[in-house]
Amino acid sequence: AQSVTQLGSHVSVSEGALVLLRCNYSSSVPPYLFWYVQYPNQGLQLLLKYTTGATLVKGINGFEAEFKKSETSFHLTKPSAHMSDAAEYFCAVSERGVGKSTFGDGTTLTVKP
Amino acid sequence: DAGVIQSPRHEVTEMGQEVTLRCKPISGHDYLFWYRQTMMRGLELLIYFNNNVPIDDSGMPEDRFSAKMPNASFSTLKIQPSEPRDSAVYFCASSGGNEQFFGPGTRLTVL
Repeated sequence: AQSVTQLGSHVSVSEGALVLLRCNYSSSVPPYLFWYVQYPNQGLQLLLKYTTGATLVKGINGFEAEFKKSETSFHLTKPSAHMSDAAEYFCAVSERGVGKSTFGDGTTLTVKP
Repeated sequence: DAGVIQSPRHEVTEMGQEVTLRCKPISGHDYLFWYRQTMMRGLELLIYFNNNVPIDDSGMPEDRFSAKMPNASFSTLKIQPSEPRDSAVYFCASSGGNEQFFGPGTRLTVL
Protein backbone atom coordinates (compact mmCIF):
# COMPACT_ATOMS: atom_id res chain seq x y z
CA ALA A 1 0.00 0.00 0.00
CA GLN A 2 1.09 3.54 -0.63
CA SER A 3 0.50 6.66 1.43
CA VAL A 4 1.39 10.33 1.39
CA THR A 5 1.77 12.73 4.30
CA GLN A 6 1.85 16.45 3.70
CA LEU A 7 3.16 18.25 6.74
CA GLY A 8 1.18 21.38 7.41
CA SER A 9 -2.29 21.89 6.00
CA HIS A 10 -1.67 25.64 5.81
CA VAL A 11 1.56 27.46 5.00
CA SER A 12 1.87 31.23 4.91
CA VAL A 13 4.83 33.11 3.44
CA SER A 14 5.59 36.67 2.48
CA GLU A 15 5.95 37.66 -1.13
CA GLY A 16 9.55 37.08 -2.17
CA ALA A 17 10.22 34.54 0.56
CA LEU A 18 11.19 30.90 0.13
CA VAL A 19 8.35 28.45 -0.34
CA LEU A 20 8.79 25.00 1.21
CA LEU A 21 5.96 22.48 1.16
CA ARG A 22 6.74 19.14 2.73
CA CYS A 23 5.75 15.72 1.46
CA ASN A 24 6.71 12.30 2.77
CA TYR A 25 5.58 9.11 1.13
CA SER A 26 5.42 5.41 1.81
CA SER A 27 5.74 2.87 -0.98
CA SER A 28 6.84 -0.74 -1.17
CA VAL A 29 7.99 -0.31 -4.76
CA PRO A 30 9.96 2.43 -6.54
CA PRO A 31 7.48 5.28 -6.77
CA TYR A 32 6.39 7.86 -9.22
CA LEU A 33 5.93 11.15 -7.36
CA PHE A 34 3.90 14.18 -8.33
CA TRP A 35 3.00 17.65 -7.19
CA TYR A 36 -0.26 19.15 -8.38
CA VAL A 37 -1.60 22.66 -7.89
CA GLN A 38 -5.23 23.66 -7.62
CA TYR A 39 -6.27 27.27 -8.07
CA PRO A 40 -9.68 28.36 -6.80
CA ASN A 41 -12.59 26.94 -8.77
CA GLN A 42 -10.32 24.86 -11.00
CA GLY A 43 -9.22 21.27 -11.31
CA LEU A 44 -5.82 20.01 -10.26
CA GLN A 45 -2.98 20.51 -12.72
CA LEU A 46 0.45 18.93 -12.75
CA LEU A 47 3.24 21.07 -11.37
CA LEU A 48 6.07 18.55 -11.71
CA LYS A 49 6.82 14.85 -11.52
CA TYR A 50 9.58 12.40 -10.69
CA THR A 51 9.66 9.10 -12.51
CA THR A 52 13.26 8.03 -13.00
CA GLY A 53 16.64 9.66 -13.49
CA ALA A 54 17.59 13.00 -12.00
CA THR A 55 16.29 13.35 -8.48
CA LEU A 56 15.94 17.13 -8.69
CA VAL A 57 13.03 17.92 -10.94
CA LYS A 58 11.91 21.29 -12.17
CA GLY A 59 8.35 22.22 -12.89
CA ILE A 60 6.27 25.10 -14.04
CA ASN A 61 6.26 28.55 -12.46
CA GLY A 62 9.73 28.19 -10.94
CA PHE A 63 8.91 25.28 -8.63
CA GLU A 64 11.21 22.33 -8.09
CA ALA A 65 11.28 19.22 -5.93
CA GLU A 66 13.92 16.73 -4.91
CA PHE A 67 13.34 13.01 -4.54
CA LYS A 68 15.23 11.74 -1.49
CA LYS A 69 14.85 8.00 -1.23
CA SER A 70 16.67 7.74 2.11
CA GLU A 71 14.26 10.22 3.65
CA THR A 72 11.20 9.07 1.65
CA SER A 73 10.57 12.72 0.90
CA PHE A 74 9.63 14.84 -2.09
CA HIS A 75 9.50 18.40 -0.79
CA LEU A 76 8.41 21.23 -3.07
CA THR A 77 10.34 24.50 -3.12
CA LYS A 78 10.39 27.85 -4.85
CA PRO A 79 13.05 30.46 -4.09
CA SER A 80 10.77 33.49 -4.22
CA ALA A 81 7.01 33.41 -3.70
CA HIS A 82 4.66 35.41 -5.88
CA MET A 83 1.12 36.42 -5.03
CA SER A 84 -0.05 34.23 -7.91
CA ASP A 85 1.34 31.13 -6.14
CA ALA A 86 -1.49 31.22 -3.63
CA ALA A 87 -3.31 27.93 -4.15
CA GLU A 88 -3.70 24.44 -2.76
CA TYR A 89 -0.90 21.99 -3.45
CA PHE A 90 -1.22 18.22 -3.49
CA CYS A 91 1.55 15.64 -3.35
CA ALA A 92 0.80 12.23 -4.88
CA VAL A 93 2.49 8.85 -5.25
CA SER A 94 1.83 6.00 -7.64
CA GLU A 95 3.38 2.75 -8.72
CA ARG A 96 5.27 2.86 -11.98
CA GLY A 97 3.00 2.41 -14.95
CA VAL A 98 -0.17 2.34 -12.88
CA GLY A 99 -2.42 5.30 -13.47
CA LYS A 100 -3.91 5.35 -9.98
CA SER A 101 -2.26 7.76 -7.53
CA THR A 102 -2.60 8.21 -3.80
CA PHE A 103 -2.97 11.88 -2.92
CA GLY A 104 -2.03 13.73 0.22
CA ASP A 105 -4.52 15.89 2.06
CA GLY A 106 -3.22 19.06 0.45
CA THR A 107 -1.45 22.19 1.70
CA THR A 108 -2.98 25.61 1.25
CA LEU A 109 -0.34 28.21 0.48
CA THR A 110 -1.07 31.82 1.37
CA VAL A 111 1.24 34.57 0.10
CA LYS A 112 1.21 37.83 2.05
CA PRO A 113 2.11 41.11 0.37
CA ASP B 1 -6.17 18.75 -27.30
CA ALA B 2 -9.21 19.96 -25.38
CA GLY B 3 -8.26 18.17 -22.20
CA VAL B 4 -10.74 16.35 -20.01
CA ILE B 5 -14.26 17.62 -20.58
CA GLN B 6 -16.94 17.52 -17.92
CA SER B 7 -20.57 18.48 -18.09
CA PRO B 8 -22.46 20.14 -16.68
CA ARG B 9 -20.15 22.61 -14.93
CA HIS B 10 -22.82 23.46 -12.38
CA GLU B 11 -25.85 21.47 -11.28
CA VAL B 12 -28.48 22.50 -8.78
CA THR B 13 -31.11 19.93 -7.97
CA GLU B 14 -33.57 19.02 -5.28
CA MET B 15 -33.21 16.17 -2.85
CA GLY B 16 -34.49 12.92 -4.29
CA GLN B 17 -33.76 13.79 -7.90
CA GLU B 18 -31.46 11.81 -10.15
CA VAL B 19 -28.21 13.50 -11.14
CA THR B 20 -25.95 12.43 -14.00
CA LEU B 21 -22.45 13.81 -14.42
CA ARG B 22 -20.57 13.28 -17.65
CA CYS B 23 -16.92 13.03 -18.59
CA LYS B 24 -14.96 12.79 -21.81
CA PRO B 25 -11.36 11.73 -21.15
CA ILE B 26 -8.32 12.64 -23.19
CA SER B 27 -8.09 10.50 -26.29
CA GLY B 28 -5.69 7.59 -25.86
CA HIS B 29 -5.79 7.54 -22.08
CA ASP B 30 -6.70 4.15 -20.67
CA TYR B 31 -7.41 5.18 -17.07
CA LEU B 32 -10.37 7.23 -15.92
CA PHE B 33 -11.01 8.42 -12.37
CA TRP B 34 -13.95 10.01 -10.56
CA TYR B 35 -13.19 12.13 -7.48
CA ARG B 36 -15.28 14.11 -5.05
CA GLN B 37 -13.95 17.17 -3.23
CA THR B 38 -15.46 18.87 -0.21
CA MET B 39 -14.10 21.14 2.48
CA MET B 40 -14.79 18.55 5.15
CA ARG B 41 -13.41 15.44 3.49
CA GLY B 42 -10.96 16.84 0.96
CA LEU B 43 -10.29 14.97 -2.29
CA GLU B 44 -11.75 11.45 -2.36
CA LEU B 45 -11.33 8.82 -5.08
CA LEU B 46 -14.72 7.32 -5.80
CA ILE B 47 -14.00 4.85 -8.60
CA TYR B 48 -11.55 4.25 -11.40
CA PHE B 49 -11.59 2.40 -14.70
CA ASN B 50 -8.86 0.81 -16.77
CA ASN B 51 -9.69 0.13 -20.42
CA ASN B 52 -13.37 0.86 -19.66
CA VAL B 53 -13.50 -1.76 -16.88
CA PRO B 54 -14.16 -0.68 -13.28
CA ILE B 55 -11.14 -1.65 -11.21
CA ASP B 56 -11.85 -0.25 -7.76
CA ASP B 57 -15.16 1.20 -6.60
CA SER B 58 -14.43 1.00 -2.90
CA GLY B 59 -14.67 4.77 -2.63
CA MET B 60 -18.25 4.93 -3.82
CA PRO B 61 -20.09 6.08 -0.72
CA GLU B 62 -23.23 4.00 -1.10
CA ASP B 63 -25.51 2.25 -3.53
CA ARG B 64 -27.04 5.54 -4.58
CA PHE B 65 -23.86 6.16 -6.57
CA SER B 66 -23.09 4.33 -9.79
CA ALA B 67 -20.59 4.86 -12.60
CA LYS B 68 -20.31 3.53 -16.11
CA MET B 69 -17.85 3.72 -18.93
CA PRO B 70 -19.55 2.35 -22.05
CA ASN B 71 -16.62 3.25 -24.31
CA ALA B 72 -13.17 4.78 -24.19
CA SER B 73 -14.44 8.31 -24.75
CA PHE B 74 -17.29 8.62 -22.29
CA SER B 75 -18.13 7.99 -18.66
CA THR B 76 -21.00 8.88 -16.37
CA LEU B 77 -21.42 9.17 -12.62
CA LYS B 78 -25.01 8.89 -11.47
CA ILE B 79 -26.53 9.67 -8.11
CA GLN B 80 -30.05 8.38 -7.51
CA PRO B 81 -31.65 9.61 -5.34
CA SER B 82 -29.54 12.64 -4.51
CA GLU B 83 -29.22 14.00 -0.96
CA PRO B 84 -27.96 17.35 0.38
CA ARG B 85 -24.80 15.66 1.71
CA ASP B 86 -23.86 14.82 -1.88
CA SER B 87 -23.19 18.51 -2.51
CA ALA B 88 -19.57 18.74 -3.62
CA VAL B 89 -17.32 19.32 -6.61
CA TYR B 90 -16.95 16.17 -8.67
CA PHE B 91 -13.82 15.81 -10.78
CA CYS B 92 -13.08 13.43 -13.60
CA ALA B 93 -9.46 12.71 -14.47
CA SER B 94 -7.76 10.56 -17.07
CA SER B 95 -4.30 9.10 -17.34
CA GLY B 96 -2.09 7.23 -19.74
CA GLY B 97 -0.42 5.47 -16.82
CA ASN B 98 1.61 8.36 -15.45
CA GLU B 99 0.28 11.69 -14.27
CA GLN B 100 -3.42 12.44 -14.16
CA PHE B 101 -5.18 15.15 -16.11
CA PHE B 102 -8.14 16.65 -14.34
CA GLY B 103 -11.26 18.16 -15.77
CA PRO B 104 -12.65 21.48 -14.52
CA GLY B 105 -15.15 19.74 -12.26
CA THR B 106 -18.90 19.76 -11.78
CA ARG B 107 -20.17 21.74 -8.81
CA LEU B 108 -23.23 19.90 -7.51
CA THR B 109 -25.65 21.50 -5.10
CA VAL B 110 -28.48 19.38 -3.72
CA LEU B 111 -31.16 21.43 -1.99
